[in-house]
Amino acid sequence: GAGVSQSPRYKVTKRGQDVALRCDPISGHVSLYWYRQALGQGPEFLTYFNYEAQQDKSGLPNDRFSAERPEGSISTLTIQRTEQRDSAMYRCASSLEQNTEAFFGQGTRLTVV
Amino acid sequence: ELKVEQNPLFLSMQEGKNYTIYCNYSTTSDRLYWYRQDPGKSLESLFVLLSNGAVKQEGRLMASLDTKARLSTLHITAAVHDLSATYFCAVIGKGAQKLVFGQGTRLTINP
Repeated sequence: GAGVSQSPRYKVTKRGQDVALRCDPISGHVSLYWYRQALGQGPEFLTYFNYEAQQDKSGLPNDRFSAERPEGSISTLTIQRTEQRDSAMYRCASSLEQNTEAFFGQGTRLTVV
Repeated sequence: ELKVEQNPLFLSMQEGKNYTIYCNYSTTSDRLYWYRQDPGKSLESLFVLLSNGAVKQEGRLMASLDTKARLSTLHITAAVHDLSATYFCAVIGKGAQKLVFGQGTRLTINP
């Protein structure tokens, strides 16, 4: 695709529900990253993949958060039993390979009510 | 643990003036990026700096890197209103893959 595509753009969910956020990286990009950005802050790393392998998940806040990229392309970030503190902008980025420039998507704005 | 600090966090300036945003980081780095973010928009890559002494310029923006001081600067020359945005520096630590971002500098340029 032309750029990194994320869906949905906006998600409002009730506390306790599970949500799945999708990222479609730039075609051919090997590396895929998930970040979370609170209002007025810089993005914070959550996890990243090379192909389908999850290389680093040290930024996931707790075990309610998980991510997968089963075929090395589209990735899903899942948050189980959402809490109000999970409300944030979730951003995905991809890069052609390791150690190259990352391009960010428009993000998914998650609001937990 | 790699930490990245920017200053100032907020900057309001007049058109035509010059100013500098500073980015300090705490450990050895492989690469440093500067990003621009407009309200409600994604992050747009401006510069990537790879080595000590690197300097890159695009229009009224110039970025430099001093790896010994662990400092990067983003200099704005003769600011124009269109440059109003939030600017982030982001660092990849030595041997790492993830970007660590600064808090951002919200720049407002007044006509």
